[in-house]
Amino acid sequence: QVQLVQSGAEMKKPGASVKVSCKASGFTFTDYFIHWLRQAPGQSLEWMGWITTANGDTTYSQKFQGRVAITRDPSASTAFMELSSLTSEDTAIYYCARDSYSIGSYFDYWGQGTLVTVSS
Amino acid sequence: DIVMTQSPLSLPVSPGEPASISCRSSQSLLHSNGYNCLDWYLQKPGQSPQLLIYLGSTRASGVPDRFSGSGSGTDFTLKISRMEAEDVGVYYCVQTLQTPFTFGPGTKVDIK
Repeated sequence: QVQLVQSGAEMKKPGASVKVSCKASGFTFTDYFIHWLRQAPGQSLEWMGWITTANGDTTYSQKFQGRVAITRDPSASTAFMELSSLTSEDTAIYYCARDSYSIGSYFDYWGQGTLVTVSS
Repeated sequence: DIVMTQSPLSLPVSPGEPASISCRSSQSLLHSNGYNCLDWYLQKPGQSPQLLIYLGSTRASGVPDRFSGSGSGTDFTLKISRMEAEDVGVYYCVQTLQTPFTFGPGTKVDIK
C-alpha cells in the first residue's frame, strides 16, 4: 500500500536548520511529485514547495525562497525538506504529500507529519 | 497570491442532516483546460489531511458519495448530504491553479 513515512520530531534553537525526510513506498517514486506543506499550531495549511522526483526540479513559495531546499534521493525513494535560519514562527507540523499531477495538482497521500519546535 | 476564503468557519451539524461549506477565491480558478483547480480536504482530529474532492467536483478514491463538490470560477461548495459522526473535523479548500498554492482558513464541522 502507498505510504509516506516522515522522520521524527525535532527540537531546534533559533538560527538553526532542520532537515525532514519523507520515505515513499508502495508506488514508483519517480512517477509522482512530492510537495511539502506545514501547519502552525491552530492554523491552516501552508504550501512550501514541490519537487519533480524524476529530475529534481523544484518550485518554492516565494515566502520561503532562499531558506528552503527540497531534494530527493530516488535510489532510496526519499524526499527531503531542509529549512534554515529557523525562528519561533517556524514551529509547525511539516507534511510531505504525493501529487500525481495528471490534469491538475492534488495531494492524494500524505505523510504522518513531523513536528518541528523552535525554541531557545 | 490567490486569497481563499471559507464560510462558515464553524458548523455544528446534527447526525443525518445535510451540511454545506462555501469557498471563494480572489481570482478565477478555471484553467485553460476547462477544469477548476480547486480541491477539498478533511483533517480529522489528530490526523493528516485527506483528499476528498479534486478539480472542483471529482470525488477521490474511497470517499463516500455523501460528499460532493460543485462550483466554477471563484465560487465553490462542498456538500455533505447526510452528516455522520466520522465526518467531524476541519475542512479546507485549496487552489492549485498557480503557485503558491493557497488554502482557505478551514471550516470546523462537529456534531450538534
